[in-house]
Amino acid sequence: DAKTTQPTSMDCAEGRAANLPCNHSTISGNEYVYWYRQIHSQGPQYIIHGLKNNETNEMASLIITEDRKSSTLILPHATLRDTAVYYCIVRALNAGNMLTFGGGTRLMVKP
Amino acid sequence: ETGVTQSPTHLIKTRGQQVTLRCSSQSGHNTVSWYQQALGQGPQFIFQYYREEENGRGNFPPRFSGLQFPNYSSELNVNALELDDSALYLCASSLVNVAGDTQYFGPGTRLTVL
Repeated sequence: DAKTTQPTSMDCAEGRAANLPCNHSTISGNEYVYWYRQIHSQGPQYIIHGLKNNETNEMASLIITEDRKSSTLILPHATLRDTAVYYCIVRALNAGNMLTFGGGTRLMVKP
Repeated sequence: ETGVTQSPTHLIKTRGQQVTLRCSSQSGHNTVSWYQQALGQGPQFIFQYYREEENGRGNFPPRFSGLQFPNYSSELNVNALELDDSALYLCASSLVNVAGDTQYFGPGTRLTVL
């Protein structure tokens, strides 16, 4: 799997949009961008994934650049419960096997 | 909630002992993956089971073994426990089909080896 680079930590004010960047400059054409988050001591939670088009669901939006070398996860109205470590992962569909987790971004939402 | 359950929630063992952790996959899922998460680190892939067969393995020694049952539930067995095996053990289930294979995680089992 291609490697990803994320900032170690970010802060966001409650009610504001949280924009979490991810660089994946070596992504292959068949690899998707997946986002998971992990709230302290819980199992990782799937958020969203996409190939090249922007995606939106009830949790977040995923914006992927045209060259696919980077992406941004957007939480439109962050709440205190969004405080978590956010992981950006690239992998091919039905690649089987593993998700390769990096260090992730620790997002702190502040009142 | 993902519908993936794990038992037990917490477990304390001593070095050299053996442990079995259990995972029930989400209804309709046919694949289970296991991960180890040491304190302060991201999860590390141990192995995956698909149709009751091991379908890929990470960099873990043979004393880490598993099973998948016909109902797609799974067990992770660790023999000869070492202090470094203390970690959160996560299982994730997925349905492998043409639409993809997004993995959904359970809450984890916290294993402490003394």
